Amino acid sequence: DIVLTQSPGPLSLSPGETATLSCRASQSIRNNYLAWYQQRPGQAPRLLIYDASSRATGIPDRFSGSGSGTDFTLTISRLEPEDFAVYFCQHYVTSTWTFGQGTKVEIK
Amino acid sequence: EVQLVESGGGLVQPGGSLRLSCAASGFTFTTYWMHWVRQVPGKGLVWVSRINPDGSDTNYADFVRGRFTISRENAKNTVYLQMNSLRIEDTAVYYCVRRGDYGGVLDPWGRGTLVTVSS
Repeated sequence: DIVLTQSPGPLSLSPGETATLSCRASQSIRNNYLAWYQQRPGQAPRLLIYDASSRATGIPDRFSGSGSGTDFTLTISRLEPEDFAVYFCQHYVTSTWTFGQGTKVEIK
Repeated sequence: EVQLVESGGGLVQPGGSLRLSCAASGFTFTTYWMHWVRQVPGKGLVWVSRINPDGSDTNYADFVRGRFTISRENAKNTVYLQMNSLRIEDTAVYYCVRRGDYGGVLDPWGRGTLVTVSS
């Protein structure tokens, strides 16, 4: 199974700053089949990014994804109060999906 | 608007059974794979199972294979998760999720139903 490792641990930032989140895979992700999800407290996850760099419908352009192979990044520019949440990466290469452990972006 | 509404969670003793339901609306249910994903409160997301549009193909995570069964009733736009031989470590919020419109992504998600396995 592909293991996804996210870093850093909790990320403490102020509104208006930029968050850079990393997701590293234990083996190359074919076709960049990697997604990012946001989970706000008490809510279900929602899709932000698919195919490593494409924004899902309705997602603001301050969210961007990049990377290929085994190293992927989610960048959140100009943090808004509603962006403070937990972010998960997920691959969909095989018929069993795995997620990273999550990165919490918290208010400094 | 796409909606997924889970039900059936609750408190059950170790070794017991529970059946979760997920009522879908707002899309053509018969054309989508459906998934179950679980999350221990405060922890990460773990994929559990999926079923294809006509119910003929299913996949399971190793830790539930042989204990859980996913099924669907297309006439009722509903997907189920039958959970048998429940263990304490199965305690989690269970989310019903639709396969997204972009490859294998999971989108959208239901609000989840809490399953607590405890004596």
